[in-house]
Amino acid sequence: GGIITQTPKFLIGQEGQKLTLKCQQNFNHDTMYWYRQDSGKGLRLIYYSITENDLQKGDLSEGYDASREKKSSFSLTVTSAQKNEMAVFLCASTSSGTGGGQNTLYFGAGTRLSVL
Amino acid sequence: AQKVTQTQTSISVMEKTTVTMDCVYETRDSSYFLFWYKQTASGEIVFLIRQDSYKKENATEGHYSLNFQKPKSSIGLIITATQIEDSAVYFCAMREVITGNTGKLIFGLGTTLQVQP
Repeated sequence: GGIITQTPKFLIGQEGQKLTLKCQQNFNHDTMYWYRQDSGKGLRLIYYSITENDLQKGDLSEGYDASREKKSSFSLTVTSAQKNEMAVFLCASTSSGTGGGQNTLYFGAGTRLSVL
Repeated sequence: AQKVTQTQTSISVMEKTTVTMDCVYETRDSSYFLFWYKQTASGEIVFLIRQDSYKKENATEGHYSLNFQKPKSSIGLIITATQIEDSAVYFCAMREVITGNTGKLIFGLGTTLQVQP
């Protein structure tokens, strides 16, 4: 088994601030994802990365940057925090092999963002 | 575009009973994968069970099982002998192919299950 670790667990920022969220996985998975969860809107994909140094935009990429410098880590940056923004950011990973293993995502515990 | 719909916002059941949560999906793919995840009160999202569309048998995993009705594009989650600890938000999801072997999950909005003692 493995684990996905997200830091920090709670993040409080100021309007306009640049904020970085980090994610580490020890599954040795190739593909990693960042999802945003808002109340009433479910989970929406922000960015994903198929391999080290690869970055792909999801459905909600505007206002975010991402970085995948190592296979095991995937960072997300909120480029300018919006006032009163509250959301949970979830990191996930999956293998890219065949046989079905690439189909199941495993999630971290999330980072809860509040912007004052 | 692919879509996943969970019509039940919340369900309340008594402990030790069986509950079914509904999910319908839309896809143009001939082969696809469907999932159920559980989000606990702490926010952690845990994979529960998966159904591969080409398999006719309903998937089972412990006290979770699926009711896969392909002609109806339906994948219901059945939890038998519910326990208080099953109280959580349950998400239905479908894999959408991005490229090659890489996919992303499209999620429904979730169903909140409350198990009463």
